[in-house]
Amino acid sequence: RKEVEQDPGPFNVPEGATVAFNCTYSNSASQSFFWYRQDCRKEPKLLMSVYSSGNEDGRFTAQLNRASQYISLLIRDSKLSDSATYLCVVNQGGASGSARQLTFGSGTQLTVLP
Amino acid sequence: NAGVMQNPRHLVRRRGQEARLRCSPMKGHSHVYWYRQLPEEGLKFMVYLQKENIIDESGMPKERFSAEFPKEGPSILRIQQVVRGDSAAYFCASSPGSGAYNEQFFGPGTRLTVL
Repeated sequence: RKEVEQDPGPFNVPEGATVAFNCTYSNSASQSFFWYRQDCRKEPKLLMSVYSSGNEDGRFTAQLNRASQYISLLIRDSKLSDSATYLCVVNQGGASGSARQLTFGSGTQLTVLP
Repeated sequence: NAGVMQNPRHLVRRRGQEARLRCSPMKGHSHVYWYRQLPEEGLKFMVYLQKENIIDESGMPKERFSAEFPKEGPSILRIQQVVRGDSAAYFCASSPGSGAYNEQFFGPGTRLTVL
C-alpha cells in the first residue's frame, strides 16, 4: 500500500464548477498535512496546510479526518488558472530526523475547461 | 527574489560525468531538503540538511550521491558517474524551523538530462 494515495484523475470540469479531491495516508502517526499544486514542469507550490479542524482559504477548503486517515480539498467556483496537478503531502512527524521529510502522493490532475 | 534559488536550471551530462546541483534556501531558512522527481512519477525525498550537518539521508541512493550544506554558501547535491536513470528533476526546499508543522518552500528545480 502506498503511504499517500490519491485518485490520479484526470478531472475535467467546466469553469465555475466545484471539485473535490481525496487522499488517504497509511501512517496513523502522521502529524502534519498539506496540499501543494504543481504546474507542468514547475516546482510544487504550497496551497495550504491542513489542520485538524479543517481550514478555508478563499475558494479552497481543506478537511482532515484523522480517524479515517483521510484528507480532502474542495475547490469552489473553479477558474481556468486552477488547472494543475494537486499533490497531497504528509509529514510523519516525530522526534527523529526522519520526521522532517515530506511524503508526496502521486497527484491528481485537474483541467478547468472554458 | 527572496525565494529558494537553484542552479543550474538545466544540466546536461554524458554518462560517467559528474553533476553538481546548487541550492540557496530562502532568507532566514537554515533547513534544506532535496527531492527527486523522475519522469511521470511523484516527488521522493532524498536528504535533509542543516548547516554543516546531514540530518536524514534515508532517501539517498547508497552510491554516487552525496550532499552538503556548508557554513557558507549554498547546499550542493553531487552525483558522480551519472547514468541515464539519474535523469530527473531535482527540487530543493527550505523551511525556517525543524518542526513537523514547518512548511517547506520549493525552488524551481534543476532538470538533469544524462545522454
